[in-house]
Amino acid sequence: AQRVTQPEKLLSVFKGAPVELKCNYSYSGSPELFWYVQYSRQRLQLLLRHISRESIKGFTADLNKGETSFHLKKPFAQEEDSAMYYCALKGQGAQKLVFGQGTRLTINP
Amino acid sequence: EAGVAQSPRYKIIEKRQSVAFWCNPISGHATLYWYQQILGQGPKLLIQFQNNGVVDDSQLPKDRFSAERLKGVDSTLKIQPAKLEDSAVYLCASSLEPLKTQYFGPGTRLLVL
Repeated sequence: AQRVTQPEKLLSVFKGAPVELKCNYSYSGSPELFWYVQYSRQRLQLLLRHISRESIKGFTADLNKGETSFHLKKPFAQEEDSAMYYCALKGQGAQKLVFGQGTRLTINP
Repeated sequence: EAGVAQSPRYKIIEKRQSVAFWCNPISGHATLYWYQQILGQGPKLLIQFQNNGVVDDSQLPKDRFSAERLKGVDSTLKIQPAKLEDSAVYLCASSLEPLKTQYFGPGTRLLVL
């Protein structure tokens, strides 16, 4: 079975501090992992995917198959990073996205 | 480019009533998805269409939920009869192809009283 766990429902950090949003997954094959973000009063949108290996808005995420994790990191948080973040998994060859419960990130000034 | 459109944005009904939601995907997107997002949870896929055919409806409660995409473009999701636990945001998403990026609509927030 495919499962995504985001252990923190809420995360609050100060502006300029490092941010790490945790994501752990359960899947027996080779998954594709994603981070989606939803800013206040906006639509859910793709932030980044592990196969792209790119940094978006200063965020990076590395797939760690040994620890089955895909944590989202940013070295210096900005107030505009405040949003709801969802980790999602797509199984090998599958089309369906399985989402975690989400983490609400608040950046304090 | 115009994004995924959904209507209505909000709906309040009483239990046992019927309700329908409409989705217009991004032009040219062959794949359309309906998700249910209950408060405090992540989106859960209800049904996926490829053009006008169903690819995955394994998590659709078929005794009360139905969906169609007759001409391979717009789609409707219906609940009949609604239960209290159907209160949620219903998200529509579309993608060019099944393995491509999904683009989400604004959602329809349903409250069942």
